[in-house]
Amino acid sequence: KQEVTQIPAALSVPEGENLVLNCSFTDSAIYNLQWFRQDPGKGLTSLLLIQSSQREQTSGRLNASLDKSSGRSTLYIAASQPGDSATYLCAVFKAAGNKLTFGGGTRVLVKP
Amino acid sequence: DADVTQTPRNRITKTGKRIMLECSQTKGHDRMYWYRQDPGLGLRLIYYSFDVKDINKGEISDGYSVSRQAQAKFSLSLESAIPNQTALYFCATSDGTGLGAKNIQYFGAGTRLSVL
Repeated sequence: KQEVTQIPAALSVPEGENLVLNCSFTDSAIYNLQWFRQDPGKGLTSLLLIQSSQREQTSGRLNASLDKSSGRSTLYIAASQPGDSATYLCAVFKAAGNKLTFGGGTRVLVKP
Repeated sequence: DADVTQTPRNRITKTGKRIMLECSQTKGHDRMYWYRQDPGLGLRLIYYSFDVKDINKGEISDGYSVSRQAQAKFSLSLESAIPNQTALYFCATSDGTGLGAKNIQYFGAGTRLSVL
């Protein structure tokens, strides 16, 4: 059974600092990994998707890496801003069984 | 307009009542999903559908039913609501894993359901 873990569960940083969010998964036979952002009481917004054959994806200040063999992904957010405050979720998709498994999320607070 | 629209956004109901949560999408995707989110438990899959004639149970389908009325519409019903079904419910859609598809999941804004 796939298990996805995100550590830390919560993170508080001053504005301008780089953010490093970690995601680990137990079954490396994944189709892709997706990072989401969730604001309080809101839905999930897709940030980055990394296919199993890729090592990283970048979008603006965001960079996500994937090391499938070790079961790890890292989301980097450069030069954090108060608007980056949210919960960040990673999810791994396994095509067999059409199973998307979510981590518990990391709640981020960027202080001005 | 949002790619995935859920109605209602908030709902309070009483134990034993039947309620329906509705979802529509404009992405043109075949695959649609219903999840629930609970504090400390993350998101869990309730049901999913690969096309209008295809319905599949997820990991927590007991107490729920679904209907895929059209490619763009997927509704979730609680036949007899109970308090432990109080949660945030999300509908999602994806383009699947076919040729050229990336299976990016797009989520609605959620429905906050309280069962008293």
